[in-house]
Amino acid sequence: GENVEQHPSTLSVQEGDSAVIKCTYSDSASNYFPWYKQELGKRPQLIIDIRSNVGEKKDQRIAVTLNKTAKHFSLHITETQPEDSAVYFCAASNNDMRFGAGTRLTVKP
Amino acid sequence: DAGITQSPRHKVTETGTPVTLRCHQTENHRYMYWYRQDPGHGLRLIHYSYGVKDTDKGEVSDGYSVSRSKTEDFLLTLESATSSQTSVYFCAISNGRASQETQYFGPGTRLLVL
Repeated sequence: GENVEQHPSTLSVQEGDSAVIKCTYSDSASNYFPWYKQELGKRPQLIIDIRSNVGEKKDQRIAVTLNKTAKHFSLHITETQPEDSAVYFCAASNNDMRFGAGTRLTVKP
Repeated sequence: DAGITQSPRHKVTETGTPVTLRCHQTENHRYMYWYRQDPGHGLRLIHYSYGVKDTDKGEVSDGYSVSRSKTEDFLLTLESATSSQTSVYFCAISNGRASQETQYFGPGTRLLVL
């Protein structure tokens, strides 16, 4: 089955800096890669996703890149703000969705 | 937020007792999922349903059973709860298969097994 590894497990940045979270996956048949943000005590919420026929996708300050050959994908957050502080999960899906273990992002004012 | 509710939101129970968690959706989505979330493990799929009375196992299904008698309801049962089942349980829904459609999560149920 699919295995997703996510790094780093914790990330601390200064407000205004960029943050990058990286994930690798094992199943070359995976074709859908969502990213979820989870604030403390809340449900995971989709922030951006990418499909295997696309190499990059942007939505305002958030972007995701996908390298199918290397089987890795990354989340990029620019101009970070304190409200970006949360746990971020990547996932990869062929039939079942498999999630990474999460990255706790802290943005210091 | 998608129209997903979970009940109860919090539960404390004792080892060996049966527990049933309920997920209810108002979106008429075909697929429903149960995940558990534990520190260091992200979200792990327990069971999922692809239609009324159609269910299948996920990554961590041992000790759990599910039922779906109506489109809107998906029940997760712990037949005899163990301390290792202490976790936060999330229900999710999607309109298509996991490889094709976004999953939307419910608010979660925090379960403590003593």
